[in-house]
Amino acid sequence: DAGVIQSPRHEVTEMGQEVTLRCKPISGHNSLFWYRQTMMRGLELLIYFNNNVPIDDSGMPEDRFSAKMPNASFSTLKIQPSEPRDSAVYFCASSLRTSGKETQYFGPGTRLLVL
Amino acid sequence: GQSLEQPSEVTAVEGAIVQINCTYQTSGFYGLSWYQQHDGGAPTFLSYNGLDGLEETGRFSSFLSRSDSYGYLLIQELQMKDSASYFCAVRDGTASKLTFGTGTRLQVTL
Repeated sequence: DAGVIQSPRHEVTEMGQEVTLRCKPISGHNSLFWYRQTMMRGLELLIYFNNNVPIDDSGMPEDRFSAKMPNASFSTLKIQPSEPRDSAVYFCASSLRTSGKETQYFGPGTRLLVL
Repeated sequence: GQSLEQPSEVTAVEGAIVQINCTYQTSGFYGLSWYQQHDGGAPTFLSYNGLDGLEETGRFSSFLSRSDSYGYLLIQELQMKDSASYFCAVRDGTASKLTFGTGTRLQVTL
């Protein structure tokens, strides 16, 4: 299996621009998570989906952030307009929801720098 | 809500044993997980405890005491490649979401 795929791996943009991050989860997984990681705030859950439905978006910082999952094999996280404080590593992770142990598999991340 | 506490840094010598502690406060609990993250890399799963006791996977072991809201990760026969950040995470019993601790940076020295 190719694992969780994220694109782009690196993104440098200017303040005010729209940024779209993409994620392809592991085939067969039914949960998908978007995280943001910074030195100051650590690893934060932004939003997660179960069976393509957003379940908890309480971690989304503000209305500038939006996420979609149109089908089981694709999700996007959009920032519009972007700000310098959005600079971080954004990880997508997927898992197979079960009643017991549930391992999340992380993608390689997108390193975003907003100038 | 959920909160987890871990030491920010730990240093240990190659070949030794190191223990990284994690205490948590949760409104619901459905297991404690441990993830490893190397600099510039993504978190990867190491271990999970759903019940009290010790789980062993090679050089890595994890322990949980639900009555004490406490767990630890034990790494034996430390190797230089074990230098990384280690995160504990708790799962909310009602959902799939994990809340991660702030991470412990492990430095293995010669």
